Amino acid sequence: SQQGEEDPQALSIQEGENATMNCSYKTSINNLQWYRQNSGRGLVHLILIRSNEREKHSGRLRVTLDTSKKSSSLLITASRAADTASYFCAGGSSYKLIFGSGTRLLVRP
Amino acid sequence: EPEVTQTPSHQVTQMGQEVILRCVPISNHLYFYWYRQILGQKVEFLVSFYNNEISEKSEIFDDQFSVERPDGSNFTLKIRSTKLEDSAMYFCASSVGQGVTKNIQYFGAGTRLSVL
Repeated sequence: SQQGEEDPQALSIQEGENATMNCSYKTSINNLQWYRQNSGRGLVHLILIRSNEREKHSGRLRVTLDTSKKSSSLLITASRAADTASYFCAGGSSYKLIFGSGTRLLVRP
Repeated sequence: EPEVTQTPSHQVTQMGQEVILRCVPISNHLYFYWYRQILGQKVEFLVSFYNNEISEKSEIFDDQFSVERPDGSNFTLKIRSTKLEDSAMYFCASSVGQGVTKNIQYFGAGTRLSVL
């Protein structure tokens, strides 16, 4: 595939714990984005990191980007049951996003 | 907050029939997209549209597919002769295309297409 393979495929944690998801990509990107998808619903943008950035924070989210390794990670701190969803990385170029296969996160209350 | 709206939420059709999926992008956005997600699989890019023409399309987007912006607010995806394998969730998205947030795409809730 062209882009974005996440690992792990599924992650189950206790509420309050941190969740880390990793993503690798193959092609050149201008930016890398993370999206969340609740079951059967649309995708919600979480955070964007540009190719010249290494780390970015937004609330409980921390994303890193290593362009030399073509990889990114998403850290969700102090997880909540409401964080239960699928998380996708997507490599952005001019006119499209190429999505990875996603990590299914389950946060147990 | 402005959002992308898609109709219908679920479309059932017979194989070989034409379907039109409708989307209303966010009003000041300039770029429009269609993606699809087959059940249990990753979200796949189909096509992007800017300035009334296709900017980029994937190999999935063959001659059976077409897009149109028939007026100032709607953006449609037409599948000319549906196949069983076209069954999927279809997502419309839009982006402002300029400024700091130009690359962020906002997605609709999707249309579930079931081809029987």
